[in-house]
Amino acid sequence: ETGVTQTPRHLVMGMTNKKSLKCEQHLGHNAMYWYKQSAKKPLELMFVYSLEERVENNSVPSRFSPECPNSSHLFLHLHTLQPEDSALYLCASSQDVFLGGGAYGYTFGSGTRLTVV
Amino acid sequence: AQKITQTQPGMFVQEKEAVTLDCTYDTSDPSYGLFWYKQPSSGEMIFLIYQGSYDQQNATEGRYSLNFQKARKSANLVISASQLGDSAMYFCAMREGVKAGGYQKVTFGTGTKLQVIP
Repeated sequence: ETGVTQTPRHLVMGMTNKKSLKCEQHLGHNAMYWYKQSAKKPLELMFVYSLEERVENNSVPSRFSPECPNSSHLFLHLHTLQPEDSALYLCASSQDVFLGGGAYGYTFGSGTRLTVV
Repeated sequence: AQKITQTQPGMFVQEKEAVTLDCTYDTSDPSYGLFWYKQPSSGEMIFLIYQGSYDQQNATEGRYSLNFQKARKSANLVISASQLGDSAMYFCAMREGVKAGGYQKVTFGTGTKLQVIP
């Protein structure tokens, strides 16, 4: 596999459930990101990891918990979510955290469409 | 204030025609960069083109070019010879500032939905 792979593609969960989103990149990149995309709003940065170390936590509620066990994998653990958390969650990677990916930009996955009921 | 402004929620273009998608930005950082991404209905954001604030020439990548007007703080995307496959959402983004560890935050606009008509 190449690029950035996100699983699952779709997820429906109740407010009391616990679930995890998975992101995997096969590009040899050292930086990984979680973004939230809600309808008619700009992409919201959630977390940034550089070489498995979190370098940005963009005031995200504690019901979202990221984990980066190695530079190829990124998880987003979800618990006690609210209906307003329903959105498309996008994972991205880049060679490093400098220059926003520079001339190559970020490589994004196809996202997980999350619905909280 | 919004960092990135895309004023066109939706655009139509005839196949084979050129189209310009507008983007204005706001930053006081002398070193910044501007990006355009395409998001088809499949959801994946695809990087198209990049322009650094110190680059003298406008960036070009195939049918995509970035019309960079620094004094006006605009970075419009021009797509030449539109194809049906160009129908998608297009997002302008900017990197600026340097945080701990050298990280620069990337901020996205709200996007423009482009529809190419046969």
